[in-house]
Amino acid sequence: GQQLNQSPQSMFIQEGEDVSMNCTSSSIFNTWLWYKQDPGEGPVLLIALYKAGELTSNGRLTAQFGITRKDSFLNISASIPSDVGIYFCAGRNYGGSQGNLIFGKGTKLSVKP
Amino acid sequence: KAGVTQTPRYLIKTRGQQVTLSCSPISGHRSVSWYQQTPGQGLQFLFEYFSETQRNKGNFPGRFSGRQFSNSRSEMNVSTLELGDSALYLCASSLEWNPGPYNEQFFGPGTRLTVL
Repeated sequence: GQQLNQSPQSMFIQEGEDVSMNCTSSSIFNTWLWYKQDPGEGPVLLIALYKAGELTSNGRLTAQFGITRKDSFLNISASIPSDVGIYFCAGRNYGGSQGNLIFGKGTKLSVKP
Repeated sequence: KAGVTQTPRYLIKTRGQQVTLSCSPISGHRSVSWYQQTPGQGLQFLFEYFSETQRNKGNFPGRFSGRQFSNSRSEMNVSTLELGDSALYLCASSLEWNPGPYNEQFFGPGTRLTVL
């Protein structure tokens, strides 16, 4: 079956740092989504990408749909404490059902002690 | 506009019992999907409902079932609970059943189920 590899699994940030994470797929996707989940809450959609090569921003967040259609990247610039949480990528290679969305295992962002 | 609401937020049950979780989608949304989230398996799709009909089902045993009502509200039921059913159960709603631009899912806060 399809697999999504999301990396890194976890990372520590200091306020002001830039953050990068990515997802790779074993097969082609035509949609990439990025979600953030805070403790005790459900995932919140941050950015949606529908075209290979597409670069989309949402405030300090920028995501790209890889040219190969097998990867996507999320960057956070000038991180702040409220960026802490778990970031999930999700991909879909055909429509027909919301159930065709495949999720990565998440990147946990924590604050450096 | 109110978001997706799920009740209850927390639930503790014992093995062998059954449980019913409820989800109210965003007003106007007609598609409801359910997910199980665990630390080991991540987010796994359970089923999707649209117009009171199950449109898609994930790879879960028959102990997991659901339904949707005419007002788009949905319930999921787990019978004969097992320890491994402990998880965060998330409901998500979307306008229509066919995903795409302007029709992605919005998640609720989830129901944390603990099976003892």
